[in-house]
Amino acid sequence: AQKITQTQPGMFVQEKEAVTLDCTYDTSDQSYGLFWYKQPSSGEMIFLIYQGSYDEQNATEGRYSLNFQKARKSANLVISASQLGDSAMYFCAMREGHTMNSGGGADGLTFGKGTHLIIQP
Amino acid sequence: KAGVTQTPRYLIKTRGQQVTLSCSPISGHRSVSWYQQTPGQGLQFLFEYFSETQRNKGNFPGRFSGRQFSNSRSEMNVSTLELGDSALYLCASSRGGQFDEQYFGPGTRLTVT
Repeated sequence: AQKITQTQPGMFVQEKEAVTLDCTYDTSDQSYGLFWYKQPSSGEMIFLIYQGSYDEQNATEGRYSLNFQKARKSANLVISASQLGDSAMYFCAMREGHTMNSGGGADGLTFGKGTHLIIQP
Repeated sequence: KAGVTQTPRYLIKTRGQQVTLSCSPISGHRSVSWYQQTPGQGLQFLFEYFSETQRNKGNFPGRFSGRQFSNSRSEMNVSTLELGDSALYLCASSRGGQFDEQYFGPGTRLTVT
């Protein structure tokens, strides 16, 4: 089963509108971190926002906020007042933190397939 | 503060050859992770190095290896290249905490012919 699912392969949004990018995840770990990255056509991955599994408040970073619903295992990214420069691929990622009994540490980031967001003027 | 740098940016190799990619992390970052990005498989974790030790490893064959130096710079090596190794290879650095955000470099675009 996929650990990170992004159900929207592509989205078209009018400039200045808010946009929600969906992300659901699957883990049996109690401790994990959720990340969103933006990848413009240039290829570089840009970190946007982080949410820890124990964080009670939804994370916010400027125009980005994360709608974290733990029981539903969803971590949707909300971009307010979209801009033309927001056009890019957006990836949801998770890092699981294993218990010390299973060896400790954490694996690398597991990424979803991404959502291609296009902002139209 | 300078970002993560990767060299070379583009590389063309022939099947059967080997290749070494280099990554310089953000100053002060002790963890370096490598990822492979292809249209078919998406982004996949290769391995992570922390303080010159491999801390985690993804599900890739032994042809993929890496190392980290005392200054935290890292290299990734792929031996006996296959056509399927054509990909964008991304390096990311972090302070090394379990859930610290990872900052990515611009990537190395490897083409195997």
